[in-house]
Amino acid sequence: DQQVKQNSPSLSVQEGRISILNCDYTNSMFDYFLWYKKYPAEGPTFLISISSIKDKNEDGRFTVFLNKSAKHLSLHIVPSQPGDSAVYFCAASAFGNQFYFGTGTSLTVIP
Amino acid sequence: NAGVTQTPKFRILKIGQSMTLQCTQDMNHNYMYWYRQDPGMGLKLIYYSVGAGITDKGEVPNGYNVSRSTTEDFPLRLELAAPSQTSVYFCASSLRDRVAHQPQHFGDGTRLSIL
Repeated sequence: DQQVKQNSPSLSVQEGRISILNCDYTNSMFDYFLWYKKYPAEGPTFLISISSIKDKNEDGRFTVFLNKSAKHLSLHIVPSQPGDSAVYFCAASAFGNQFYFGTGTSLTVIP
Repeated sequence: NAGVTQTPKFRILKIGQSMTLQCTQDMNHNYMYWYRQDPGMGLKLIYYSVGAGITDKGEVPNGYNVSRSTTEDFPLRLELAAPSQTSVYFCASSLRDRVAHQPQHFGDGTRLSIL
């Protein structure tokens, strides 16, 4: 049973525009959410996180929004750059030891 | 600054063979994890460890074993390789305390094929 879902397998965006990646979850006990970026033949690298006590966290060009009532989070990348082309995974954890990952969204930023 | 190191990077096994995937981290992280990623899927947790001498099962532990004798090392053992274990395996570590979550740091993966 997939507790974290990324329903868009792929996304293409023009350079300089906004990229919006979405993630839905089912477990209301999740209290910590993360986004990872993954290039081919490499491991995922941490991008940004948000605690359930917040609804927004910003780090440079990256902003994560959390809507707890909708069990939805999104990652905004503004402006998008060709180097942002990668697979993005969202992940979530209840206060415990296990992280649950979505299936990923492949972002292509077109120059 | 090595971070999380996994060896080997690639391996082909025959059905029924055994092998150990190695993972070591130099960040003095207390938590370590093993995940597998199948094509088109997210990462699934196999086993994790909250410290030396302590391990616990994740979502998909069947067919695997782990040990954690030191803080740095967390090897994953496949005893009787099966085609269903063909996957990319990622090791990760994180620093956890009782209060705060911390993100996981991942190795570059081991691509394992079982034929």
